[in-house]
Amino acid sequence: QSALTQPASVSGSPGQSITVSCTGTSSDVGGYNYVSWYQQHPGKAPRLIIYEVTNRPSGVSTRFSGSKSGNTASLTISGLQAEDEADYYCSSYRSNSPYVFGTGTKVTVL
Amino acid sequence: EVQLVESGGGLVQPGRSLRLSCVASGFRFDDYSMHWVRQAPGKGLEWVSGISWNSGSIDYADSVRGRFTISRDNAKNSLYLQMNSLRADDTALYYCVKEVLLWFGELLPRGFDYWGQGTLVTVSS
Repeated sequence: QSALTQPASVSGSPGQSITVSCTGTSSDVGGYNYVSWYQQHPGKAPRLIIYEVTNRPSGVSTRFSGSKSGNTASLTISGLQAEDEADYYCSSYRSNSPYVFGTGTKVTVL
Repeated sequence: EVQLVESGGGLVQPGRSLRLSCVASGFRFDDYSMHWVRQAPGKGLEWVSGISWNSGSIDYADSVRGRFTISRDNAKNSLYLQMNSLRADDTALYYCVKEVLLWFGELLPRGFDYWGQGTLVTVSS
């Protein structure tokens, strides 16, 4: 069960916008609108920030937004802040195995 | 307030067994599918297993299929993971997680909105 592919790291300056990509196949990302994104700070449990491609749970900043095109999903963080520095994981429903996570991306605020 | 509290982790020898438990509160436990997700030290997240609201739909990652068994007791608001034939690569922090959406069909995870603090399982001789 191979993981979804994410860049190892993405960085940006405060106030900038950055995008984290998540590439899968037609059996997962491309085939269903069930992509989620999680933020994880060191030593903490992951936090859901996007589900069903574009939906934000209550309490999540509007600076986080999600999208999808074909087999690639994207997370955009606008107005980058120091507190956004964390690891980010995408995930998706997959037809032959209910759930798969991405490889993870370390976001650094310069 | 939603809370998920895991227990049962520890140091175990290869080939032995361990049973993890998770007690849920703050929401209608029997309305939601529940899952176990693990994270090896310094590594990424891995989905382990999931169970539907009524235990009618269950699935496992290939890496644990045949060795792990997920179950739930809705009367006790509890989720379990029986882990047999443990291997060194099962060493990880195991999280109990709740699905974000109500769903009364087959297992169809669309995101996990609440996570426990995790219980550490270390498999080593």
